[in-house]
Amino acid sequence: NAGVTQTPKFRVLKTGQSMTLLCAQDMNHEYMYWYRQDPGMGLRLIHYSVGEGTTAKGEVPDGYNVSRLKKQNFLLGLESAAPSQTSVYFCATSLVGDTQYFGPGTRLTVL
Amino acid sequence: GENVEQHPSTLSVQEGDSAVIKCTYSDSASNYFPWYKQELGKRPQLIIDIRSNVGEKKDQRIAVTLNKTAKHFSLHITETQPEDSAVYFCAASLMNRDDKIIFGKGTRLHILP
Repeated sequence: NAGVTQTPKFRVLKTGQSMTLLCAQDMNHEYMYWYRQDPGMGLRLIHYSVGEGTTAKGEVPDGYNVSRLKKQNFLLGLESAAPSQTSVYFCATSLVGDTQYFGPGTRLTVL
Repeated sequence: GENVEQHPSTLSVQEGDSAVIKCTYSDSASNYFPWYKQELGKRPQLIIDIRSNVGEKKDQRIAVTLNKTAKHFSLHITETQPEDSAVYFCAASLMNRDDKIIFGKGTRLHILP
């Protein structure tokens, strides 16, 4: 029972490169979220999903895309990475939209 | 949309004293208010939450109070211990309608020996 996992743990990109972050859960939760965490800025919601096949924009969606093709996976894509996207990215899941269970985070650096 | 303000950004208290962190929210329809603790280098974890039909909730040394009229809620930690040192985040959400959870910017709590 792994809970919530994130792949990769660390990544360094050059400006303009693309990448996909994977969040996987074995908790059978309906809700999944992607956040970014920057010093002094707290946790800011990028995109979220309330069920398989659904996605919605959060507070800071620009420059990111998401997909939820399977209930257990939530993918976050950066099509053309920018230095402003250097951050720690957390995925979280929730059964009914209350308690959130966070993954271990992905540290992304864009040069 | 919802906006959550959290104060203070940094708080230092002597071990054994109490700590209070305050948050205000903007959307009067919000109905769910969780608090998360994040230790250095780790993921956030829920420590307590409160729903809009309740004014206060306690769990051992921590408690949360909610004032719906004033749109603010607070975290109270009594008899602080070194392991309470962490960053604490409040959040607000409109469950079963919007389902976004908006977080405050966090409070770094230092417990002084």
